[in-house]
Amino acid sequence: SYELTQPPSVSVSPGQTARITCSGDALPKQYAYWYQQKPGQAPVLVIYKDSERPSGIPERFSGSSSGTTVTLTISGVQAEDEADYYCQSADSSGTYGVFGGGTKLTVL
Amino acid sequence: QLQLQESGPGLVKPSETLSLTCTVSGGSISSSSFYWGWIRQPPGKGLEWIGSFYYSGSTYYNPSLKSRVTISVDTSKNQFSLKLSSVTAADTAVYYCARPVTVTTAVGYFDLWGRGTLVTVSS
Repeated sequence: SYELTQPPSVSVSPGQTARITCSGDALPKQYAYWYQQKPGQAPVLVIYKDSERPSGIPERFSGSSSGTTVTLTISGVQAEDEADYYCQSADSSGTYGVFGGGTKLTVL
Repeated sequence: QLQLQESGPGLVKPSETLSLTCTVSGGSISSSSFYWGWIRQPPGKGLEWIGSFYYSGSTYYNPSLKSRVTISVDTSKNQFSLKLSSVTAADTAVYYCARPVTVTTAVGYFDLWGRGTLVTVSS
């Protein structure tokens, strides 16, 4: 079955830029979405349609796409951004969804 | 403000059927979305897309679960449900109900989530 690949962990210091990648063969055909999940909480959508930001999400969160890889960028990382981040997309035919394995962002 | 709340048994025996309900409050289930879905997360692990239901009756399931999963909607109760048969310990997880927003395909993304409910499979 289709898989999305993320790095298990990313670490940055406050104020720096964090980049989390997500790779999958169908990403050139299907949009990617990004969620933030803090311990004990449900995920929250932070990026949709590769690069669109929902209302209420800080401008420091942005998304981009290039070929089979999409990237979530957090500029000027703050301590409150420490969380698990998941990408999500669909298989090439758009008949089922899939999540990446998740990336734990640590703010040093 | 639309809200989702999962409910159901917190403990299910192996080989039995897991049944969960998601109650939609703050609005009508039939006018709030055309799609409703379920996601799960085993303890300490990542998210897994289970499936979604389209109001016309179409369903979209994770191929790895398709033979055991049923998602349905009861508009009279403003609820939708998940049934997962022949469960094993590997089905132990926090189960979330959510509202998919479709874009170019039936899958889309989830913009509204319930708080989740832990279901443990154990004898």
